This record gives sequence, structure tokens and C-alpha cells, in this order.
Amino acid sequence: NAGVTQTPKFQVLKTGQSMTLQCAQDMNHEYMSWYRQDPGMGLRLIHYSVGAGITDQGEVPNGYNVSRSTTEDFPLRLLSAAPSQTSVYFCASSRTGTSGSHYEQYFGPGTRLTVT
Amino acid sequence: AQSVTQPDIHITVSEGASLELRCNYSYGATPYLFWYVQSPGQGLQLLLKYFSGDTLVQGIKGFEAEFKRSQSSFNLRKPSVHWSDAAEYFCAVRYSGGYQKVTFGTGTKLQVIP
Repeated sequence: NAGVTQTPKFQVLKTGQSMTLQCAQDMNHEYMSWYRQDPGMGLRLIHYSVGAGITDQGEVPNGYNVSRSTTEDFPLRLLSAAPSQTSVYFCASSRTGTSGSHYEQYFGPGTRLTVT
Repeated sequence: AQSVTQPDIHITVSEGASLELRCNYSYGATPYLFWYVQSPGQGLQLLLKYFSGDTLVQGIKGFEAEFKRSQSSFNLRKPSVHWSDAAEYFCAVRYSGGYQKVTFGTGTKLQVIP
């Protein structure tokens, strides 16, 4: 199993540009999520999904868009990049279910994004 | 809203000394608690988790954590720290029901000195 993969690893954008961060997992996990990590702020949830076709907002969703057309893929779209979106982005996945809240998340290696 | 507090931003310990990292969570029914470790430039790796049963849980790399419901705490411990333990440590909480969002603390950066 490759686990959770993310592309690209590094990206530099100009203000106003758009792009998509890719995330894929091969563990057949229902739950997938996107976080951003900024110094001193830990990981903040951007968007998450509990299955194909179902997404919801986390605590910092503004400026980001997601969709979940398959179980495996969960891309994150930046609609119009801003310097405030300079961050490290992590994708994660886990099993879920009525009794599955204790399932841990598996994280991808991250994408380091700089917006100038 | 669920929340997690890690009161120590940065901790320095000598190699071979014991370690305790603090974590407090907001009160809620049936919390599921996790500790993750992040080495520089890497993703997060699960150290251990608690969801029921024995309140003292063992994890990888010699770490353990104790769940104390009365104190809403889930502190991470290691009896003897190794230089390779230098990393950032995150506590996280998830509650049963709903969409099971996970909330992370802001992290504690551990420095190990010889």
C-alpha cells in the first residue's frame, strides 16, 4: 500500500492564481480531510469528507474548495491564491463508522505552498 | 466546540531524563484521544491512542499516556528520552457520533540536549 499520497510536494504561486492540491489513498478509507499547518497554530481543519459525494467545512474553509467523486481521491482547490494561504497542507484519511471514531488518521507527507 | 490544549509550546530535556507532555481536552462524552509525532519536514505519525478500557495506554517508541477523565487530561510520558525523540508532538481528540471531526492541539516542540 502506498498509503496517503500528496502532490506536489512544493509549489509557488502568485497572488490570484488557482491550483489544485492532489490527495489520494489506497486503503479504502471513508473519511478524508485537509489540514493546514502554520507555526504555533497546530493543524487546522479546512474541509473533510465522510464518503464519496459528501463533504463539509472545517474551521478554516474560506478560499478553498473540495469535492469527493471517488473514495480514493480528495483534491483541494485554491480558487484565488492569497499570501495568507502560504502554509503546509496535509491530507489525512481514516476508517469511520458508528463505532469507529477511535480509528486513527493516516497522514500524507504534505505540500509546502508559498504564495507571493 | 471541542478543543485541545497543549500548554507547553516548547520543552527541553536532557537525554536520559524523563518526559511528560501535557494535554487537556474540552469535556465531551466518549472522547477518543490520540498522540501524534512529527519529525521536521515530515507528516504526522501516530504514537498511541485511547478509546476505552485501561486508562494507561502504551504506544510505539516507548511512549505511554494516561487518560484521566476527572481532569480531562491525556498526558504523554516517556521514562528515558533519546536524542531521536526530538520532534513536535500533537494531541488530538475525536468524539463519537456526528461527522467525527478531529481537533488538534497547537503542539509541543521537544528539544533533547546531550
